[in-house]
Amino acid sequence: AQSVTQPDIHITVSEGASLELRCNYSYGATPYLFWYVQSPGQGLQLLLKYFSGDTLVQGIKGFEAEFKRSQSSFNLRKPSVHWSDAAEYFCAVGGDNNNDMRFGAGTRLTVKP
Amino acid sequence: NAGVTQTPKFQVLKTGQSMTLQCAQDMNHEYMSWYRQDPGMGLRLIHYSVGAGITDQGEVPNGYNVSRSTTEDFPLRLLSAAPSQTSVYFCASTYRMTARRETQYFGPGTRLLVL
Repeated sequence: AQSVTQPDIHITVSEGASLELRCNYSYGATPYLFWYVQSPGQGLQLLLKYFSGDTLVQGIKGFEAEFKRSQSSFNLRKPSVHWSDAAEYFCAVGGDNNNDMRFGAGTRLTVKP
Repeated sequence: NAGVTQTPKFQVLKTGQSMTLQCAQDMNHEYMSWYRQDPGMGLRLIHYSVGAGITDQGEVPNGYNVSRSTTEDFPLRLLSAAPSQTSVYFCASTYRMTARRETQYFGPGTRLLVL
């Protein structure tokens, strides 16, 4: 069965610093991988997704993620964090159908001024 | 488009009470689903629907009922609330269940507290 692990429950970075959020997955076939962001009191918004092809995926709000099959990882990165990036971030892995999607427990990002 | 809407935003229930969480979308999406979000556990699928009149169970269906009489609406019913159902509930929709390349849109959530 597929599963997703986000090792960091909470991360604090200074505004302007770089960010990397970790995601490791377990899946029996070629995975479809997603990163979502949840701002306080809001629903989840898709940041980016990987299906195939180029392993470096660009998303919205200046985020990118890199799929590394050998490490079963799909880490999210941003070169310079803004205060508005403070939110909770979820990694998800899916299969052929949307009802197969499994979410990680989330990483809460705090941005220091 | 309003996207995915959910009501109420917050609800307090007593153990044993029943209630319905409402979800609606105006994007003509065939696939709709309900998730619950609990601390440290991410989102877990409760029930889903691939179209009007068709529903199926997800990962954690016990204690919940759903129906899909129209394409737009997908209500979630708690027949006898239990404290273990205290959670944040999200409704989501997308074009089709197999449209994994399509974006899945989430509602703003309903925060439920069962005392």
